[in-house]
Amino acid sequence: EAGVAQSPRYKIIEKRQSVAFWCNPISGHATLYWYQQILGQGPKLLIQFQNNGVVDDSQLPKDRFSAERLKGVDSTLKIQPAKLEDSAVYLCASSLDRPLRETQYFGPGTRLLVL
Amino acid sequence: DAKTTQPNSMESNEEEPVHLPCNHSTISGTDYIHWYRQLPSQGPEYVIHGLTSNVNNRMASLAIAEDRKSSTLILHRATLRDAAVYYCILRGGGSNYKLTFGKGTLLTVNP
Repeated sequence: EAGVAQSPRYKIIEKRQSVAFWCNPISGHATLYWYQQILGQGPKLLIQFQNNGVVDDSQLPKDRFSAERLKGVDSTLKIQPAKLEDSAVYLCASSLDRPLRETQYFGPGTRLLVL
Repeated sequence: DAKTTQPNSMESNEEEPVHLPCNHSTISGTDYIHWYRQLPSQGPEYVIHGLTSNVNNRMASLAIAEDRKSSTLILHRATLRDAAVYYCILRGGGSNYKLTFGKGTLLTVNP
């Protein structure tokens, strides 16, 4: 079974530029998560999708971050414009979200450096 | 979300058992206890979870205190590949399967 795919793996941009990350979840997983992990900290949930709809985006900085999940499969996370403090690893995860089948499977992440 | 407390770091020797503690004194009756771990330069991976009873799987065992205010993740024979950050997370009941990660415990395994 293929895991969660993310691209790119690394990205370096200058502040005020835009950047986009892509995630392909495990086939059949209805729920998709985007996390931000700053060095030395645990992952922080940015947004959670259930199929096409947003379940939780309470910690997404909506003035600069946006995310979409077209057709309930792939998802993109965009930052526009980027700030220095956005330097982090962006992790995508997916899960079945059924009782007893709620394990989240994480991708390898995209490491973003904003200069 | 209910809070967990873990030591910042622990050390173990290879092939010895490791007991990783987690305190969660404000746990509610419907909170599940989840453990994930994150190997260097990788995304987190699921280890084990439980509600009230002790749980075993191929990776680890989870021992839950009778009052549920603490739990212990047990790696029966640590290997160098077990060196990682281990996160203890309380996942609330209901249909939102959101996980709130803390800083976790950095486990170092010495050869």
